Amino acid sequence: KNQVEQSPQSLIILEGKNCTLQCNYTVSPFSNLRWYKQDTGRGPVSLTIMTFSENTKSNGRYTATLDADTKQSSLHITASQLSDSASYICVVSDTTSGTYKYIFGTGTRLKVLA
Amino acid sequence: DVKVTQSSRYLVKRTGEKVFLECVQDMDHENMFWYRQDPGLGLRLIYFSYDVKMKEKGDIPEGYSVSREKKERFSLILESASTNQTSMYLCASSLLKLEGYTFGSGTRLTVV
Repeated sequence: KNQVEQSPQSLIILEGKNCTLQCNYTVSPFSNLRWYKQDTGRGPVSLTIMTFSENTKSNGRYTATLDADTKQSSLHITASQLSDSASYICVVSDTTSGTYKYIFGTGTRLKVLA
Repeated sequence: DVKVTQSSRYLVKRTGEKVFLECVQDMDHENMFWYRQDPGLGLRLIYFSYDVKMKEKGDIPEGYSVSREKKERFSLILESASTNQTSMYLCASSLLKLEGYTFGSGTRLTVV
């Protein structure tokens, strides 16, 4: 069964520190992998997208990496800010048999403390 | 910027009521989706639509139906609300099938 697993489930860091969130997936074949940020009570907002041939993609202080061989992705947040407190969701597109489907991870809840 | 608007942020309904959740997008997107989000389960696809008057079942369609009479509007209908349908409901749209979604702000529905 195609799955997307994220770790840790939750994370607390101090403002200014860096952190890395992990995403492991079993979806194959896949077209692209996205990271979304979801503030509490809001809809997810796209941070990055990578195709299977890309290794890294940055969006300001957010840098996503992808290792298609090991089926792992990470999201690195540099110099965290209070506004980074949110859930971060890894999403992998499943193109098995020509279908069009996104598989969502359950997210990592990040809390940044002053 | 694409905007996806969900008509209500919070709703409280009684068991057995018929509930309508409305979603409107303003960028002429072909594809629209309804998800529900529950703690520990992630987003699960309820229904989606690739065109006007077209609908496809997602992973958890039971207890739900949808309507897409106009391109910009995609409605989710709970025919007879039950307490296990208490959840956050998210609408999304995209221009192309493998393009990223633009999500609405969500509707938190509580069924009592």
